Amino acid sequence: QKEVEQDPGPLSVPEGAIVSLNCTYSNSAFQYFMWYRQYSRKGPELLMYTYSSGNKEDGRFTAQVDKSSKYISLFIRDSQPSDSATYLCAMKRKTNAGKSTFGDGTTLTVKP
Amino acid sequence: GAVVSQHPSWVICKSGTSVKIECRSLDFQATTMFWYRQFPKQSLMLMATSNEGSKATYEQGVEKDKFLINHASLTLSTLTVTSAHPEDSSFYICSALAGGYEQYFGPGTRLTVT
Repeated sequence: QKEVEQDPGPLSVPEGAIVSLNCTYSNSAFQYFMWYRQYSRKGPELLMYTYSSGNKEDGRFTAQVDKSSKYISLFIRDSQPSDSATYLCAMKRKTNAGKSTFGDGTTLTVKP
Repeated sequence: GAVVSQHPSWVICKSGTSVKIECRSLDFQATTMFWYRQFPKQSLMLMATSNEGSKATYEQGVEKDKFLINHASLTLSTLTVTSAHPEDSSFYICSALAGGYEQYFGPGTRLTVT
């Protein structure tokens, strides 16, 4: 079983919809949680970075962490066609040389 | 956010030759950088962790003699694919740690071996 499981998608939504992207994990040692956006043939771009349980908001993006359930989510409000990309969740232990464990990614398409 | 560059962005080489890919942190110093490989529609596969001034740590199954990594300074790490073969064709991405926890990625290098 993988340490990090991400909803596989693909996901297709109309412009303006609220998008929910989700990951679960099995290792309680994960302390840091990240969301990356990757456009085709580009490197991943760090979107959100959280440490504690709860919500963190940045513009149209909200990252939610529930450590008791080992579940994290990324919400995108008022989705735009430019949000069409693959979204990767990533998690990191406090030690372990800073290596992150990545989900397999969810591909999102926002249709105008 | 912090900026990481990679060069070249795309390279074509003949089978048997070697190719060097550079990864630079442009506005911060990075004692640790990572090299990933990504196949189409698949997630990132960590190849190795590069630490400034010391030998790289390779993930299981990655040939260290084939993928040479050198982290010569706090802003530069290089990956050399030696004696490249068509099966080495892939998208190679580096990333750098800023402040210990936040990881920033380069734009990637597409390698095609003919």
